[in-house]
Order: sequence, then C-alpha cells, then structure tokens
Amino acid sequence: AQKITQTQPGMFVQEKEAVTLDCTYDTSDPSYGLFWYKQPSSGEMIFLIYQGSYDQQNATEGRYSLNFQKARKSANLVISASQLGDSAMYFCAMRDNTDKLIFGTGTRLQVFP
Amino acid sequence: DTGVSQNPRHKITKRGQNVTFRCDPISEHNRLYWYRQTLGQGPEFLTYFQNEAQLEKSRLLSDRFSAERPKGSFSTLEIQRTEQGDSAMYLCASSSNRDKNTEAFFGQGTRLTVV
Repeated sequence: AQKITQTQPGMFVQEKEAVTLDCTYDTSDPSYGLFWYKQPSSGEMIFLIYQGSYDQQNATEGRYSLNFQKARKSANLVISASQLGDSAMYFCAMRDNTDKLIFGTGTRLQVFP
Repeated sequence: DTGVSQNPRHKITKRGQNVTFRCDPISEHNRLYWYRQTLGQGPEFLTYFQNEAQLEKSRLLSDRFSAERPKGSFSTLEIQRTEQGDSAMYLCASSSNRDKNTEAFFGQGTRLTVV
C-alpha cells in the first residue's frame, strides 16, 4: 500500500544555512512521482519540486533540491540558504499508478535569524 | 485562469445539519481531488475524479459524505448530518492528465466548523 512517512515533526535552522527535511515512501509500483509542498500559516499549499521514479538526476528548483535515493525509498528535500520566509509546514507527497496523491504528516520548519 | 476556486471559504453549521462545498478546478484539468486537513496534520485523501468518474474513495469517506462531478468540471462535496468531528479544512486540488506526474494545484480550502 502507498505510504509517506515524515519523521521530523519540527526542525529549526538558522538563516542562510541549509536544512534537510526527511521523507520516506512505500509503494509496490515501479512508476511513481514524488512531490514536495509548502504550506505557510496562511494555509495555501504551494508546489515546490517534483521527482519522477525514472529520473536519473535529482530534481532542483532554485534553492530547493531533492535528494532521491531510490533503493532506500527516500526523497529528502534540501533547502539551501534558508530565509525567514521559508518558515512553514512542508509536506512530502506521492502519486503512483493508482493516480491517488497521498501526503505525509508534515514537518514544521522554523528559520531563525 | 484564476486557479482552483473553493466556496465557501468558511462555513459554521450546527451539528446534524447538511453542508455542501463547491470546487471549481483549473479549466483544462481533468483530475480533481478532495482532501480533509485537521490542525497540524497533513491532507488526508478523501476521493478523486478523472473527468466525471469517481475513481476512488477513502475509507474516511463515510456514508454521510458524497462527492459529485457531474459534467467533469466543478465538483461538490456534501456532508449529511454533520458531527463535531467533521470540523476541518476541506481542500480541493486539480491536475492535468497530460503527464501522470504533473503537480496538483490546490484551492484555498473551505474551513468547516460544526458547533
């Protein structure tokens, strides 16, 4: 069965430092997609980055990169040069061949000056 | 294109009443998802549609919940005989079928409070 696990309820990082948010997943399908979303306190869900299961290279989008380790079934989000505005909830999500998009429980990131 | 639109944004209802929420997806998107999110938790999958076909329903979706997407455009989620445990944010998302792994775009949600 599909499952997304985010084991870090909260993380702290100092401004301008890098931070890694963990995500592991479980699926029996060989074809799947992994997504990260940001949810600020205002509540909207903002798409950040996507990684396909057959992609050979790790995805990058600006300051966001995805550390994809397929054998370990992990898809960690790396945020470089953290900014105060990065403080938010971060959710890892997966869609496999069932077409269903499921989410983890999230990690609350707090960036301090 | 104004994105995914959900109405109402807030709904307060008395226990036992029925409520209906509406979601208008991005116009060319044929996939539409409903989620429920409680405070401090991730979005929990409720159901999704491919065009007008409801392809999967979560076990979370009790008999009191029903969703429709009659013409493959907007969707409604109805909760009958609301209970206090139904209080949550209800999120709608849509995505295209151009590439099965395109991202889903979310609306701003409908916050339901059952008193």
